[in-house]
Amino acid sequence: DGGITQSPKYLFRKEGQNVTLSCEQNLNHDAMYWYRQDPGQGLRLIYYSQIVNDFQKGDIAEGYSVSREKKESFPLTVTSAQKNPTAFYLCASSRIGGSGNTIYFGEGSWLTVV
Amino acid sequence: AQRVTQPEKLLSVFKGAPVELKCNYSYSGSPELFWYVQYSRQRLQLLLRHISRESIKGFTADLNKGETSFHLKKPFAQEEDSAMYYCALGFQKLVFGTGTRLLVSP
Repeated sequence: DGGITQSPKYLFRKEGQNVTLSCEQNLNHDAMYWYRQDPGQGLRLIYYSQIVNDFQKGDIAEGYSVSREKKESFPLTVTSAQKNPTAFYLCASSRIGGSGNTIYFGEGSWLTVV
Repeated sequence: AQRVTQPEKLLSVFKGAPVELKCNYSYSGSPELFWYVQYSRQRLQLLLRHISRESIKGFTADLNKGETSFHLKKPFAQEEDSAMYYCALGFQKLVFGTGTRLLVSP
């Protein structure tokens, strides 16, 4: 099914290396988000973007970077500065405006640092 | 600051029993609240939102501003309800609770 596509689903990285997770959406949504999901901690917001060429830090942005050069794309780079990068990463998108705020999620990417 | 609390990590019930997944929030303005669900091997998806006042798959949730709660309820649980449930608060930038795993046994 279409919607939001994350790649890769599984990624292994050596310590000290940067890695970029891809997120593409074909829903024509203005807003896109990156969340990190850890056991027992729920979802925590890393970065979000409401418009092309603009983005804001979430609650746990340290050690991560993003770009929003195109409306449909919002890649996340996990840098070597991120102390505990092994996690499940979820990308999401939503419309802006309207009643309520339905966020649509991708299937996620598992990152393991070895 | 916005905060969502889901006090139960795991809720285990038998099929046909009533279910209540608790959610409390802290927010100074008028909250927008949601329940998201993640079934096994599926992506996280919206279950319901308080402004719609709807019932989805037999689940309902009522916003209680006095108690700052948005508990999710279902009168008769089914095995297919087994999943991870997240309460969320906010507009555009959602804050999620830590989630409650619901296990419904036959």
